[in-house]
Amino acid sequence: DTVLTQSPALAVSPGERVSISCRASEGVNSYMYWYQQKPGQQPKLLIYETSNLASGVPARFSGSGSGTDFTLTIDPVEADDTATYFCQQSWNTFGSGTKLEIK
Amino acid sequence: EVQLVESGGGLVQPGRSLKLACAASGFTFNNYYMAWVRQAPTKGLEWVASITNSGGSTYYRDSVKGRFTISRDNAKSTLYLQMDSLRSEDTATYYCTREGRAGNYFDYWGQGVMVTVSS
Repeated sequence: DTVLTQSPALAVSPGERVSISCRASEGVNSYMYWYQQKPGQQPKLLIYETSNLASGVPARFSGSGSGTDFTLTIDPVEADDTATYFCQQSWNTFGSGTKLEIK
Repeated sequence: EVQLVESGGGLVQPGRSLKLACAASGFTFNNYYMAWVRQAPTKGLEWVASITNSGGSTYYRDSVKGRFTISRDNAKSTLYLQMDSLRSEDTATYYCTREGRAGNYFDYWGQGVMVTVSS
């Protein structure tokens, strides 16, 4: 089974650009999806099919990648972006999440 | 506005059963696949089960096969998860989700319901 690896945590300052990576253990000939989960809330879809913005998501968020390496970029970061970000490749393949702290 | 509202969670002893429900509104329920995704305390996300829009096909993760049953009532716009022979490792927040049109992802999530399996 494919394993998706994410960095456990990142800390950035407001106004900066941050890239959150998701690396697949084997080349995936399919899309990547990204979710944002704020503390105490349910996950929310941010990006579908690797690079498409979900409804209502600010244009500060973007997605890219192919093969084994995928990236979620937030530019510029805002204080409200404090959350854990999960990547997903298929029904039963989620990354372990990257906790983003805004300094 | 799409809304998914779960109910039925709680504390249950190992080996016992629990049934979760999810009331859907704001979209044409019988046009969409639906799924349950869970999250153990302080852990990541884990897909549990999916069901096609008609209810004719169901899919489960290996660890719940034979113990959990996903079903739906399209007339009531409600999704269910019957959980039998519960184990401590089933302790988690269970989210009702709508699957995206292209499949493989979840475009709307309920607020979640906590299930605690403990003696």
